Amino acid sequence: DQQVKQNSPSLSVQEGRISILNCDYTNSMFDYFLWYKKYPAEGPTFLISISSIKDKNEDGRFTVFLNKSAKHLSLHIVPSQPGDSAVYFCAASVNQAGTALIFGKGTTLSVSS
Amino acid sequence: EAEVAQSPRYKITEKSQAVAFWCDPISGHATLYWYRQILGQGPELLVQFQDESVVDDSQLPKDRFSAERLKGVDSTLKIQPAELGDSAMYLCASSSRTGRETQYFGPGTRLLVL
Repeated sequence: DQQVKQNSPSLSVQEGRISILNCDYTNSMFDYFLWYKKYPAEGPTFLISISSIKDKNEDGRFTVFLNKSAKHLSLHIVPSQPGDSAVYFCAASVNQAGTALIFGKGTTLSVSS
Repeated sequence: EAEVAQSPRYKITEKSQAVAFWCDPISGHATLYWYRQILGQGPELLVQFQDESVVDDSQLPKDRFSAERLKGVDSTLKIQPAELGDSAMYLCASSSRTGRETQYFGPGTRLLVL
């Protein structure tokens, strides 16, 4: 039973355009959400996070949107660059319980020049 | 910039052999996590330490896996005996407090069991 779902295994975007990566969750106790980026043979790199008390968080080209009623979050990358090509993982945690992160299966983003 | 260190980066072993992985978290980080990532999947928690104490090892196959963090700093994850299904990336992460603090990952150890 997957608690964090990334239903699109892959996404292809042209350089300069917007990339939108989606994530759905089922556990209403999740209150902290993160996006990680992973290159092959490397560990995940933290990108951006959002607390459940917010609906948007922005950091440079990266913006995360949270829709609690729909149990949905998305990562927007604008403008997309070829160096953004990687696997993107959505993760969630239940802060009060101090549990580890629950990850989705990832979405492979390919940005072509 | 402080980083999580892991070694070895790659390990090839035969089934039934013993393997060990080492992790040195970011200095001052009290919480340390070991995750396993199978190809095509997201990382899944194996064990979580707060200082030297195990907080969560519910997903650790304790018949063959063991983990320790004796002095509350670096940590070792051991598999004995290794099985073919253990082939995966083993990732170590650390954070400064439990829960809210962002987890930072090391480069991982890629294990191949033949």
